[in-house]
Amino acid sequence: AQKVTQAQTEISVVEKEDVTLDCVYETRDTTYYLFWYKQPPSGELVFLIRRNSFDEQNEISGRYSWNFQKSTSSFNFTITASQVVDSAVYFCALSEARLFSGGYNKLIFGAGTRLAVHP
Amino acid sequence: GAVVSQHPSRVICKSGTSVKIECRSLDFQATTMFWYRQFPKQSLMLMATSNEGSKATYEQGVEKDKFLINHASLTLSTLTVTSAHPEDSSFYICSAQLASFTDTQYFGPGTRLTVL
Repeated sequence: AQKVTQAQTEISVVEKEDVTLDCVYETRDTTYYLFWYKQPPSGELVFLIRRNSFDEQNEISGRYSWNFQKSTSSFNFTITASQVVDSAVYFCALSEARLFSGGYNKLIFGAGTRLAVHP
Repeated sequence: GAVVSQHPSRVICKSGTSVKIECRSLDFQATTMFWYRQFPKQSLMLMATSNEGSKATYEQGVEKDKFLINHASLTLSTLTVTSAHPEDSSFYICSAQLASFTDTQYFGPGTRLTVL
């Protein structure tokens, strides 16, 4: 069965600290996609990144970076020099790239990690 | 690009009334739209998936007659909570997916429903 585990329920850091959010997934498929979404207090989920299972190259986008390691089934997210505006709940999600009826994919979400960045 | 809107953002209604929530993809055509429910401090729970012009597919445990979904066009899906009760109070979020089944889901801002 597919599963996404975000073991860190809440993380609290002081501004400018680096913080890593862990994500471990389980799937039997060889083709799949991994995502990170941010949910600020306003409630809207903001798409951050999508990675397919064949692309293990790490990615950096400004202060954000992602480390994808198939060997450990992990897709960790690091925020460098955190800021108060980074305070949010971050969700890791997994989808499978195969045809269900109607041709859609289902997202399986982790429980989320609540990040609080203090001034 | 890939903007999804929801209306209303917040609704308060009396027990027994029905509430309709709209989800629109503003700058793209969405072959598939999804409806999620989120309880406070919890993750998202998929309720149903809808494809334009066909019946929605509901997840196990979700009452079809309670949560009516209509996907009338490639840019609009609606969720109607019929005969709402206080236990239906929740945060409802929709998402839309571009043409390919491997595409990313983009989420709307959510609708907070409070049933008195």
